[in-house]
Amino acid sequence: DTGVSQNPRHKITKRGQNVTFRCDPISEHNRLYWYRQTLGQGPEFLTYFQNEAQLEKSRLLSDRFSAERPKGSFSTLEIQRTEQGDSAMYLCASSLGTANNSPLHFGNGTRLTVT
Amino acid sequence: AQSVTQLGSHVSVSEGALVLLRCNYSSSVPPYLFWYVQYPNQGLQLLLKYTSAATLVKGINGFEAEFKKSETSFHLTKPSAHMSDAAEYFCAVSGPAAGNKLTFGGGTRVLVKP
Repeated sequence: DTGVSQNPRHKITKRGQNVTFRCDPISEHNRLYWYRQTLGQGPEFLTYFQNEAQLEKSRLLSDRFSAERPKGSFSTLEIQRTEQGDSAMYLCASSLGTANNSPLHFGNGTRLTVT
Repeated sequence: AQSVTQLGSHVSVSEGALVLLRCNYSSSVPPYLFWYVQYPNQGLQLLLKYTSAATLVKGINGFEAEFKKSETSFHLTKPSAHMSDAAEYFCAVSGPAAGNKLTFGGGTRVLVKP
C-alpha cells in the first residue's frame, strides 16, 4: 500500500490560466473522489468515479472544472480560466468496493494559489 | 440531505487532560460516521468509523467515539492528551444512498499546551 499520490503538491498560477492536477489512487481501489478544502473549512465534495465512470458531480463543479479517469486508474482534475476563488487545497481520495462504509484514503493534496 | 456540525472551531487542552470534540449530525437514514485527523500540509487520516455495530468505537492513537442516536451525536474523546495530538479533526457522515460520499463538518483545531 503506497497510499494515494497527488501531483503537484503546490501550484501557483496566474488568473485565467489552466491547471491540471493528477491523482494516483491505491492500486486496487475502484472508487476515486475529489474534494476541495479552503482555509479553516472542512473538505467539500466535488466529484467521484467508480472505475472509469463519473457517477456524481457537485454543483460546486462549475463548467470550468473537468475530471477524468480514463482507464479506471489515475485521475486528472483540470480547471480552466482559473479565478482567485479557485485557490484551495484539492484533495483526492480512494476507497475499495461499493459499500458506503468503506473508509476513504486521502492523498496529501495539491495546494493551488491563483494570483 | 446529510450534514455535520462540529461545536467549537478551536479547542485548547493541557497535556494529559481529557480531549472532547463534539459532533452532531443530521441524516434521514441510519448514518455511517467517521472521524478524520489532518496534520498541517497533509491529507486526512482515518481515526475511527461507526457503521451500526457497537455504539462505542475505538480508533487509533487512543481515541474513541460514542454514537448516541437519541442525541444525534458522535463525540470524540481521548482520556489523556499528548503533544502529538495537536491537529485538526473532522467529523464526517455518509449514508446508504450517498455513494460513500462523505459530508464533512467544519473541523476543530486542537492545541495542546505543555
